[in-house]
Amino acid sequence: LAKTTQPISMDSYEGQEVNITCSHNNIATNDYITWYQQFPSQGPRFIIQGYKTKVTNEVASLFIPADRKSSTLSLPRVSLSDTAVYYCLVGDSSNYQLIWGAGTKLIIKP
Amino acid sequence: NAGVTQTPKFQVLKTGQSMTLQCAQDMNHNSMYWYRQDPGMGLRLIYYSASEGTTDKGEVPNGYNVSRLNKREFSLRLESAAPSQTSVYFCATARKDRGNTEAFFGQGTRLTVV
Repeated sequence: LAKTTQPISMDSYEGQEVNITCSHNNIATNDYITWYQQFPSQGPRFIIQGYKTKVTNEVASLFIPADRKSSTLSLPRVSLSDTAVYYCLVGDSSNYQLIWGAGTKLIIKP
Repeated sequence: NAGVTQTPKFQVLKTGQSMTLQCAQDMNHNSMYWYRQDPGMGLRLIYYSASEGTTDKGEVPNGYNVSRLNKREFSLRLESAAPSQTSVYFCATARKDRGNTEAFFGQGTRLTVV
């Protein structure tokens, strides 16, 4: 399973754009990159997924450079409700284990 | 369409007692997982099942057993609960299509062992 590395914590202010980067140097050719959000006492939930270049949905954008060894989750105009832990997960086509990293604890301040 | 359902939501056990956490999914996924999450920490994989009839150890299997009863159900059993097993337990399923993996979680079971 491709190991991921993320900052342990970040903070920002309401209305700002927040970018969280994940490193995954050992990503395999067929692997996708998926980001999840977790609120306290809840399970993680899917935010966005991509394979290369840029993906955008109604809540976030995902930027993946050509070498795919990293990815950046971009949250536009964050609010207090975006305070959560964000996980980067790299899919492994040959291994059914899903091992999660520590995630990035994002704190949004008023 | 309930997704992933865990029972119970809360449980208090005395040291040495046993219990089974139940998980059921209606998403027709082959892969199912049990995690524990201690306060302020990340998810740690206890056991997983790649398909009906198979189970494998994860990162922290000691003190637990699992049963993949059928495609829908995956239960986690604590034979002799210990205070160190106080945690929030999450069941998850995953849709896997080659390298494209998406996980879906239940609402969690908050277990306290006294």
